[in-house]
Amino acid sequence: VQLVQSGAEVKRPGASVKVSCQTSGYIFSTYGISWVRQAPGQGLEWMGWISGYNGNTNDAQKVQGRVTMTTDTSTTTAYLELRSLRSDDTAIYYCARDGWAAPDTMDSWGQGTLVTVSS
Amino acid sequence: SSELTQDPSVSVALGQTVRITCQGDSLRNFYASWYQQKPGQAPILVFHGKNNRPSGIPDRFSGSSSGDTGSLTITGAQAEDEADYYCCSRDSTGKHVVFGGGTRLTVL
Repeated sequence: VQLVQSGAEVKRPGASVKVSCQTSGYIFSTYGISWVRQAPGQGLEWMGWISGYNGNTNDAQKVQGRVTMTTDTSTTTAYLELRSLRSDDTAIYYCARDGWAAPDTMDSWGQGTLVTVSS
Repeated sequence: SSELTQDPSVSVALGQTVRITCQGDSLRNFYASWYQQKPGQAPILVFHGKNNRPSGIPDRFSGSSSGDTGSLTITGAQAEDEADYYCCSRDSTGKHVVFGGGTRLTVL
């Protein structure tokens, strides 16, 4: 199982960012993907989950309205888009393989993508 | 503040046993999963559910649950176990996922 994420991004406040998570080594539709972020020196924060089976999503309340999670089953890739970026969105963003029907247990993780929001 | 409460730091002597706890109302209905994170690395799953240890995780890692508290026990801690440990479960609504604030384990 491998989850390979896109490279680091630097964005201005108010902009959007889209992070990709290319998966391999398992049947994409039998799992979901959770997104987790970690601000510098801080703990882990769950952002949301998307099913690889039917595209159902479950977003954390803190980022609801600013986040869109999608999948491309043809390339077994998951995407996280975060809009209206603020300085406190600066963090490492991780994707992790999770349950297919609901977020459950994150058993394999990507390497992380650093997103820096700065003017 | 998180709905799952962890002690910020714990220390253990090399070879001794340490328990890392996670407290929250949701743990009365949901099991915790536990993640280990070393500096500069992505987290890895070390224990989940009632009694599930992923392949490749040493059997010195075990988990338990009682009431509103979940625990991760390391029996015979090794130097390589020094890391941050996070518990994870559902929030009080049961709809969303939440992480504890993390516990930094120091092996003396």
